[in-house]
Amino acid sequence: AQKITQTQPGMFVQEKEAVTLDCTYDTSDQSYGLFWYKQPSSGEMIFLIYQGSYDEQNATEGRYSLNFQKARKSANLVISASQLGDSAMYFCAMRGSNYKLTFGKGTLLTVNP
Amino acid sequence: KAGVTQTPRYLIKTRGQQVTLSCSPISGHRSVSWYQQTPGQGLQFLFEYFSETQRNKGNFPGRFSGRQFSNSRSEMNVSTLELGDSALYLCASSYVPGQPYEQYFGPGTRLTVT
Repeated sequence: AQKITQTQPGMFVQEKEAVTLDCTYDTSDQSYGLFWYKQPSSGEMIFLIYQGSYDEQNATEGRYSLNFQKARKSANLVISASQLGDSAMYFCAMRGSNYKLTFGKGTLLTVNP
Repeated sequence: KAGVTQTPRYLIKTRGQQVTLSCSPISGHRSVSWYQQTPGQGLQFLFEYFSETQRNKGNFPGRFSGRQFSNSRSEMNVSTLELGDSALYLCASSYVPGQPYEQYFGPGTRLTVT
């Protein structure tokens, strides 16, 4: 069984600062993918970044980077230079051998001006 | 390229009724997945369709069903609605199943059961 744990129900960050959203996972699969999605209040899930379990380099997409520590089973999202528009729910998710996406409970990020 | 579209966006039904939700994937995408999002349970996988065949199913009762048409559009049906079925139902499409970074979500259908 797969499990995603996001221990931060809410986070606050000042505009232009960096923030790290935590995610730990549990799986018995050798091959898996880790994802981060952003969900604004409108409800749509927006794909941010992906990390494969065999990828040696940490994934980066613009201001988003994924700090992948395989031995610790963690996949933290780092957002640099936060913007007001980054305020949203952020979900960590995993896809294993069964191809189902398993989501964490999410972290509500609030960016303060 | 148009994104994933879901209709209707909002729906109010009463207990015992049935409902059908529709999802049109991105052009060229042949895999469609459905998820239920509630405040208590979070995001849960319902099922996935590819080439008109259900490939994967989550842990939901048989009242939840779906299908996919030859044009890749998908419908989800919930029969004998219960109050607990009130949720945001999200549809996601990808070119083929298993492509990790190509799953795009629609805006969702918010279902309220009274």
